[in-house]
Amino acid sequence: EVQLVESGGGLVQPGGSLRLSCAASGFTFKDHAMVWVRQVPGKGLEWVSVIGDNGDFTSHADAVKGRFTISRDNSRNTLFLQMNGLRAEDTALYFCAKASPRSSNYDGYFDYWGQGILVTVSS
Amino acid sequence: EMVMTQSPATLSLSPGERATLSCRTSQSVNWYLAWYQQKPGQAPRLLIYGASTRATGVPARFSGSGSGTEFTLTISSLQSEDFAVYYCQHYNGWPVTFGGGTRLEIK
Repeated sequence: EVQLVESGGGLVQPGGSLRLSCAASGFTFKDHAMVWVRQVPGKGLEWVSVIGDNGDFTSHADAVKGRFTISRDNSRNTLFLQMNGLRAEDTALYFCAKASPRSSNYDGYFDYWGQGILVTVSS
Repeated sequence: EMVMTQSPATLSLSPGERATLSCRTSQSVNWYLAWYQQKPGQAPRLLIYGASTRATGVPARFSGSGSGTEFTLTISSLQSEDFAVYYCQHYNGWPVTFGGGTRLEIK
C-alpha cells in the first residue's frame, strides 16, 4: 500500500523558514517523480514544485520560485520542501504526491497523495 | 499560463441522478487531462487520467471524455459517497494547473 506522510509544518512568522518532509513507502521511491501541491483551506489546488526521480530535474511555480527548493533523499525514501522567505499568502495545506509523468519533463498526473500538512505564516 | 475553467461551480442533484461536470482549457492539452475527487478533510483522489482512463479502483459509474479544450466528467448514477468537490488538472507541460473545482452537493 502506497503511503505518503508529510511532516514539518506549523506556525512561522513572515520572512521565516520551514522544511517540510514527506516519508514515502509502498512503492519504489527512487523510480518516481514527486511533487508538492498546496491548498488554501476552503480553496482550490495549486501545484508548487516537482522533482524528477533522481533529482536531476526540478521546477517551481512562479509564486515560490527563488524562495522554495524541492529535494529528495532516495536512500531514505523522503521528499523535502525547503521554504524560505515565507509570506502570509503561503499559508496553506501542503500535500506531497507521487507523479505519473507523460514525458521526460515529468509533467503528469498525481496518483497518490499524502494527507497534507498545514503551514501558517502569521505574526 | 493555461487557464482552466470548470462549470458549474456548484451542482445540486439527488442520489440516482446523472451528473455532468465540465472543464475547459484556454489552449489545447490534447488528452492530458485528469480528474480528482476531494472530500472534506481528505486529500484529493485521482479518478481519471488521459481524459478517459479510470484510475485503479474507481467505479465504472465514473467516466471521462473529451480532448483538446473541452472535457467532461460524468457520474452515471450518483451514490451518497459521490458528493464532494471535483477538480480537473491539465498536464500538458509545466506549470500544470487545476480548475477551480465543482462542488457536487445533495439536492
